[in-house]
Amino acid sequence: GAGVSQSPSNKVTEKGKDVELRCDPISGHTALYWYRQRLGQGLEFLIYFQGNSAPDKSGLPSDRFSAERTGESVSTLTIQRTQQEDSAVYLCASSLMLKPLHFGNGTRLTVT
Amino acid sequence: SQQGEEDPQALSIQEGENATMNCSYKTSINNLQWYRQNSGRGLVHLILIRSNEREKHSGRLRVTLDTSKKSSSLLITASRAADTASYFCATVGELYGQNFVFGPGTRLSVLP
Repeated sequence: GAGVSQSPSNKVTEKGKDVELRCDPISGHTALYWYRQRLGQGLEFLIYFQGNSAPDKSGLPSDRFSAERTGESVSTLTIQRTQQEDSAVYLCASSLMLKPLHFGNGTRLTVT
Repeated sequence: SQQGEEDPQALSIQEGENATMNCSYKTSINNLQWYRQNSGRGLVHLILIRSNEREKHSGRLRVTLDTSKKSSSLLITASRAADTASYFCATVGELYGQNFVFGPGTRLSVLP
């Protein structure tokens, strides 16, 4: 069966441009998470969607970051006016409630 | 929010030796999970231990949980070079809908 799919796998953009990252979760998974991982670091929580509840946006680092999820399917993470410090791997994961997370392979974002 | 904090941050051992990693957290949990990450990839779930369990085994993995100390340990026995990776713990809160937060991880190097 299909796992969590993220696209693009790599993205190089110029400082100041907007980028949109996509995550296709496993079908039926009600929970979806976005994390950021800088080189050699741990995972930094960004945002969490659970079913039809209001998302937990407490991890978004600035108002340049936003995310949406359509029902229990695709999610997009948008970064506006990218900065060099936004360079990182952005990981998406989905799960059933209280169950293990299934991760995608991430989008490696490089801001030049 | 929950937080797992692993220690040590880095561990280097010889093939065949056992590797032990520890995780501490702050608040009440429903379960605790360990994940593995190979370089440049998403995380893969290894094992889940519920708050009413004290020890769990899976192949060469042994996980313990001490809820009174709010700590867990992951033991990898008879390590192999292929076990080289970063290992993360994550806790899931008691309340429905809580997200969970990963610690910085332990980078394990198994030398042949």
